[in-house]
Amino acid sequence: EDQVTQSPEALRLQEGESSSLNCSYTVSGLRGLFWYRQDPGKGPEFLFTLYSAGEEKEKERLKATLTKKESFLHITAPKPEDSATYLCAVQAVDDKIIFGKGTRLHILP
Amino acid sequence: NAGVTQTPKFQVLKTGQSMTLQCAQDMNHNSMYWYRQDPGMGLRLIYYSASEGTTDKGEVPNGYNVSRLNKREFSLRLESAAPSQTSVYFCASSLVGAREQYFGPGTRLTVT
Repeated sequence: EDQVTQSPEALRLQEGESSSLNCSYTVSGLRGLFWYRQDPGKGPEFLFTLYSAGEEKEKERLKATLTKKESFLHITAPKPEDSATYLCAVQAVDDKIIFGKGTRLHILP
Repeated sequence: NAGVTQTPKFQVLKTGQSMTLQCAQDMNHNSMYWYRQDPGMGLRLIYYSASEGTTDKGEVPNGYNVSRLNKREFSLRLESAAPSQTSVYFCASSLVGAREQYFGPGTRLTVT
């Protein structure tokens, strides 16, 4: 069964304290892996798409990486405005989209 | 350029009532999606439309119907609402396939 698991469920960091969020997946043929950011009461906002193992994408303090079994979202020197829920999703060969449950990130000033 | 818009923002229904959630996008996207988001469950795909004139079931289609009215609009209908359909509903669109999706602000639906 296709599955996406994100860990940890919640993470509290001090401002400037770097860390990584994990997204592990089991899917029958990966067409793409996506990272989104969701603020409370709003719709998800697209961050990155990764297509193949070894691929990396960067945007400001965020960097996403992909292996054959998991993806990491690295957050370098985070600021309070990086606080949000980060969602991972995968697209299988049948085009179905599966989202993980997300990681709630809280950056303390 | 409004992106993806959804109406209404909030709705309370009684069990058995029907309603239609509206979604429109002004980005000339081909693909549109309906998701529901429940606490502890993540986003789940209800229906999607890969292109104008086509619709397909997602992970949780039971109790819902959709209409791709034209390239811009994709509606979700609840024929006989049930408490289990209490959720936040998101519409999304993408240029092609399921790659970079743009989400609307959501509709918060409560069924009593």
